[in-house]
Amino acid sequence: QSVLTQPPSASGTPGQRVTISCSGSSSNIGSNTVNWYQQLPGTAPPLLIYGHNQRPSGVPDRFSGSKSGTSASLAISGLQSEDEADYYCAAWDDSLKTLLFGGGTKLTVL
Amino acid sequence: QVQLVESGGGVVQPGRSLRLSCAASGFTFSTHAMHWVRRAPGKGLEWVGFIWYDGSEKHYADSVKGRFTISRDNSKNTVYLQMNSLKAEDTAVYYCAGDPPNSGWRLDYWGQGTLVTVSS
Repeated sequence: QSVLTQPPSASGTPGQRVTISCSGSSSNIGSNTVNWYQQLPGTAPPLLIYGHNQRPSGVPDRFSGSKSGTSASLAISGLQSEDEADYYCAAWDDSLKTLLFGGGTKLTVL
Repeated sequence: QVQLVESGGGVVQPGRSLRLSCAASGFTFSTHAMHWVRRAPGKGLEWVGFIWYDGSEKHYADSVKGRFTISRDNSKNTVYLQMNSLKAEDTAVYYCAGDPPNSGWRLDYWGQGTLVTVSS
């Protein structure tokens, strides 16, 4: 069981807005930045959101992130079929001295 | 163009060793911390460990501590993962990833991954 908790699955229809949560603690999300990664089947997981809510160049502004206290969330608006992927939050843990990944959320576009 | 290319994966028997390499190009390797991350079949991403830009600091996940060692050669723009006493649960695709300075543990660059299968 991951220290960063994500829902195992999420779904939505094209055009909808979907939110994926990531819950941690004071030693990880509460004191460090949260980054999000998107992994399509059979590919490496590139950076999707960094520093809670910044997007690397090339990432559509349909993707946004936020953080409050010891939780973070990823929002995807205007859902598209190509958004179907696994999504992971990640944060450094000051106590464990490890980089933590959430368990991942499999997003299905219905 | 940034590239990270892993190599060295394959099939290995339990208890044996394997060394993975990750060759970097297209960015200033010597200023970046480098991480190894893996994904086992049917599981999510798991951080394996990292090495500081100059090799002065390393940290590992508890699941590999004492068995895996990360090293780097900045003259060759390459990072290594030495895996000893391999177990079946180490079977996974292994990715190397680059972490820019002062980035908040942000993995900007990823390799395509190399598959390690531990099986008798």
